[in-house]
Amino acid sequence: DTEVTQTPKHLVMGMTNKKSLKCEQHMGHRAMYWYKQKAKKPPELMFVYSYEKLSINESVPSRFSPECPNSSLLNLHLHALQPEDSALYLCASSQIGQGLIGLHFGSGTRLTVV
Amino acid sequence: DQQVKQNSPSLSVQEGRISILNCDYTNSMFDYFLWYKKYPAEGPTFLISISSIKDKNEDGRFTVFLNKSAKHLSLHIVPSQPGDSAVYFCAASVLNSGYALNFGKGTSLLVTP
Repeated sequence: DTEVTQTPKHLVMGMTNKKSLKCEQHMGHRAMYWYKQKAKKPPELMFVYSYEKLSINESVPSRFSPECPNSSLLNLHLHALQPEDSALYLCASSQIGQGLIGLHFGSGTRLTVV
Repeated sequence: DQQVKQNSPSLSVQEGRISILNCDYTNSMFDYFLWYKKYPAEGPTFLISISSIKDKNEDGRFTVFLNKSAKHLSLHIVPSQPGDSAVYFCAASVLNSGYALNFGKGTSLLVTP
């Protein structure tokens, strides 16, 4: 299984809602990532988990809360988002130490905040 | 501040010809460069990479060239096929920086029959 699976594929949420994005991989990768991509912009790194511990937080606002319950799962909890947070959220995974070579991306969750 | 630049948003090439996608970077600390390919409704897929100790890396129809003095890299696809039509992202990183990839904005390649 060489896939990174993200659910849901599309999500529309109000500014007062709480929702979660989910990511799953069964490749045995111990590094997992959240990226955000706006239209016509490159993906921007948000968070990196290594061995289920948060290793990089790229100054992301606290309304985004990542969670790595185990080595196969990565969640992104969303609360009190703003319309400008609407974007494609990409999950990725890799082997530790081969992150740059073996970054496997999911198809993303298209988030719209209304 | 865009540290990785892909100045051509789109490129159209005939099937069988060479596609050349260009990428420039500004951060001289970058020492690892990657190309990703992205189809609509899918996440980016790793294509090929090159370390700064090399100036060329080849994998089948795909070759990446690195010119460190010019801070420029290019991806050559020969021969181009219609299935190569996708958005191509150039990315760069400092190997000891903890997996932070800096992406370019992408170039949309269209290979016509």
